[in-house]
Amino acid sequence: DQQVKQNSPSLSVQEGRISILNCDYTNSMFDYFLWYKKYPAEGPTFLISISSIKDKNEDGRFTVFLNKSAKHLSLHIVPSQPGDSAVYFCAASQLTYNNNDMRFGAGTRLTVKP
Amino acid sequence: DADVTQTPRNRITKTGKRIMLECSQTKGHDRMYWYRQDPGLGLRLIYYSFDVKDINKGEISDGYSVSRQAQAKFSLSLESAIPNQTALYFCATSDYQGQPQHFGDGTRLSIL
Repeated sequence: DQQVKQNSPSLSVQEGRISILNCDYTNSMFDYFLWYKKYPAEGPTFLISISSIKDKNEDGRFTVFLNKSAKHLSLHIVPSQPGDSAVYFCAASQLTYNNNDMRFGAGTRLTVKP
Repeated sequence: DADVTQTPRNRITKTGKRIMLECSQTKGHDRMYWYRQDPGLGLRLIYYSFDVKDINKGEISDGYSVSRQAQAKFSLSLESAIPNQTALYFCATSDYQGQPQHFGDGTRLSIL
């Protein structure tokens, strides 16, 4: 069963506009969420995270929002740049349970057009 | 040099062969992980290790085994490869609970 879902396989936006990537989860015990970015032929790299005690975390052009009641998180990229074109994975885990069993979504391919 | 190095980067082999994928890291992290990536399924955890004497099964461990030879080395074995093990395999490391994982560049494995 996929406990973390990214329902949009792809997203295309114009350079300078906002990119919004969405992620839903089913396990209410998840309390730590991350976004990873992956370029072709490379491994995923950590982008930004948020714990369940917060509803927003910002790092430069990247902001992650968490809605615990809806079990939904989103990544906003403003403004989008062509170099942001990559696959973005959402991930979730339980910090309170020391097994590091992190669950990943299937990924969303973002294309930023010049 | 990469912090997390996977070898080989690509491998094509036949059904029934024994395969070993290797991972080494220079980050000094205690925790190491093996994932596989399949289209439409994201990354799924195969095995993880919190230190040299600690090995744990992940979500999809059947058909795989691992060995933690040293803090810096974690290998994944397919004792008798089958075609549905064709996938992209990633090794990752992390420092402690709650820290993001650092991934290698992956091994593309094809089993004919």
